Amino acid sequence: DQQVKQNSPSLSVQEGRISILNCDYTNSMFDYFLWYKKYPAEGPTFLISISSIKDKNEDGRFTVFLNKSAKHLSLHIVPSQPGDSAVYFCAATPLRTSGSRLTFGEGTQLTVNP
Amino acid sequence: EAQVTQNPRYLITVTGKKLTVTCSQNMNHEYMSWYRQDPGLGLRQIYYSMNVEVTDKGDVPEGYKVSRKEKRNFPLILESPSPNQTSLYFCASSLRSYEKLFFGSGTQLSVL
Repeated sequence: DQQVKQNSPSLSVQEGRISILNCDYTNSMFDYFLWYKKYPAEGPTFLISISSIKDKNEDGRFTVFLNKSAKHLSLHIVPSQPGDSAVYFCAATPLRTSGSRLTFGEGTQLTVNP
Repeated sequence: EAQVTQNPRYLITVTGKKLTVTCSQNMNHEYMSWYRQDPGLGLRQIYYSMNVEVTDKGDVPEGYKVSRKEKRNFPLILESPSPNQTSLYFCASSLRSYEKLFFGSGTQLSVL
């Protein structure tokens, strides 16, 4: 039972355009969400997070949107740069009940073409 | 430099031969966790530890053991490895369980 799903295994965009990565979840207890970025031969690194009390969080070129009614979140990267090419994982946790279990999605490979 | 160190980076072994993957962090983090990454399945949590001597199962704990005798170390033990444990393993730590995780560089394990 995949509680966090990233339905697009890959995404290709042109440099300077917007990248939109999507993530859906099924567990209504999830109330804290994170995005991680992973380059080949390295461990994932934290990118941005959002609490369920918000619907948007911005950090430079990265913005995460949360739609609780649809159980959907998305990561927007504007403008996209070739260095953004990586695998992006979304993750979720039921912080109010048990913040120790972090559930990841399958990942989306983003390729930004020069 | 703040980091999570895993060893070894690559390991090839045979079925049934016990092995240990070490993990150490120098950030005084309370929370540590092990994940495995498999194609199409993303990162799945194996075990986690909220503090010294406090460990608990994640989503896929079968065939693995862990211990947390010291705050900085969280080794992953495979008592009798099997081919379905061939995977890329990551150790991670954070100050608290819900805060951003710092990951090690990974251990690529092949069980023949």
